Amino acid sequence: EVQLLESGGGLVQPGGSLRLSCAASGFTFRSYDMTWVRQAPGKGLEWVSGISGSGGSTYYADSVKGRFTISRDNSKNTLYLQMNSLKTEDTALYYCAKRWSYYIDYWGQGTLVTVSS
Amino acid sequence: QSALTQPRSVSGSPGQSVTISCTGTSSDVGGYNYVSWYQQHPGKAPKFMIYDVNKRPSGVPDRFSGSKSDNTASLTISGLQAEDEADYYCCSYAGSYTWVFGGGTKLTVL
Repeated sequence: EVQLLESGGGLVQPGGSLRLSCAASGFTFRSYDMTWVRQAPGKGLEWVSGISGSGGSTYYADSVKGRFTISRDNSKNTLYLQMNSLKTEDTALYYCAKRWSYYIDYWGQGTLVTVSS
Repeated sequence: QSALTQPRSVSGSPGQSVTISCTGTSSDVGGYNYVSWYQQHPGKAPKFMIYDVNKRPSGVPDRFSGSKSDNTASLTISGLQAEDEADYYCCSYAGSYTWVFGGGTKLTVL
């Protein structure tokens, strides 16, 4: 059974940093691209970032480019999202997701990031 | 990377059919047959419902179907059931390994 467990969310001031983690199990982690998707309170889904199975290729939404860094440790079956220069508009539930072909087939339960002074 | 356009809400009675539209551009929906749909119940993670415009992952009832014409994709739910009440999101590949979601549609089963 595929399981994705996010952690690392919390309250941070504007301009601050946070690192999210996602522990994956139930599939061959290194064989799949992974994705972060966020959902602001009461709002829709927003694709944030993606990374290839090897970690050699990374992709970002314009809204986070230059501030967020996605990475992975295939020896630990863990996905990361380093978030710097956080803004109030980054407040959201951040989902870790497994990509299959051009789609997300499994989602974690999310970790909440609140950016507020 | 503008969000795809979906109606904010749709409704239908049990047993009826409803269709949710998802309008993008030639750079996303119109440019690729990589459209997917997700169902999200309150407080839950999204669930994968449709891929490749009109294919269903294993376990998704055949009451759910998808289609696409030009820059607009659609999700049709036939034989509405109370458990179908949820938010629905479309998603399209937008090139260069980026994706764009729709704003979401709240389905109410009357």
